[in-house]
Amino acid sequence: DTAVSQTPKYLVTQMGNDKSIKCEQNLGHDTMYWYKQDSKKFLKIMFSYNNKELIINETVPNRFSPKSPDKAHLNLHINSLELGDSAVYFCASTTGVGGANVLTFGAGSRLTVL
Amino acid sequence: DAKTTQPNSMESNEEEPVHLPCNHSTISGTDYIHWYRQLPSQGPEYVIHGLTSNVNNRMASLAIAEDRKSSTLILHRATLRDAAVYYCILRDIILTGGGNKLTFGTGTQLKVEL
Repeated sequence: DTAVSQTPKYLVTQMGNDKSIKCEQNLGHDTMYWYKQDSKKFLKIMFSYNNKELIINETVPNRFSPKSPDKAHLNLHINSLELGDSAVYFCASTTGVGGANVLTFGAGSRLTVL
Repeated sequence: DAKTTQPNSMESNEEEPVHLPCNHSTISGTDYIHWYRQLPSQGPEYVIHGLTSNVNNRMASLAIAEDRKSSTLILHRATLRDAAVYYCILRDIILTGGGNKLTFGTGTQLKVEL
């Protein structure tokens, strides 16, 4: 059983297009995240939702809009794609907001903007 | 989040124990020490975490210095499948509306040789 699943795994698109990446978790967690890993392999948090409510927004351009229809899903929509958006995007989930809680990550979605 | 310092890379032979160090001299009394790893082309994976006492699980052991300013992740018998980037991360037990985000550093690239 896949705990945190992301689709699509690979996405190749042209500059200026709009695309979405979907994330679903079946762990019963109430907090979900999007992380971005750039070409230098640096992992950086973008957003976090707790029970469908945005709790972290880390200086991400307005072109990125997360949407959480329910606590098991956190989708990432990107408008007007730019070359610099090329990266691997990871979804993650956890339960609660305690410092001892651990995150479960998805396998990643590799976005390539041409 | 308080900062951690790790060596950029380490090498080990298969079947040998591996000790991955992490310095966190500015750790606060409420910071948990977390370790995650990222295998090639996969999402980060939780390894272990602790607060003050040494911890063991099926994947690894975590040795925490008495003053908590450093810790060591111990893989008892490294295998080729343990080749990954290992991240040492501090997370505050008392969290505000910012949620329990994980802030990744550059980690240690572990190479395991036959």
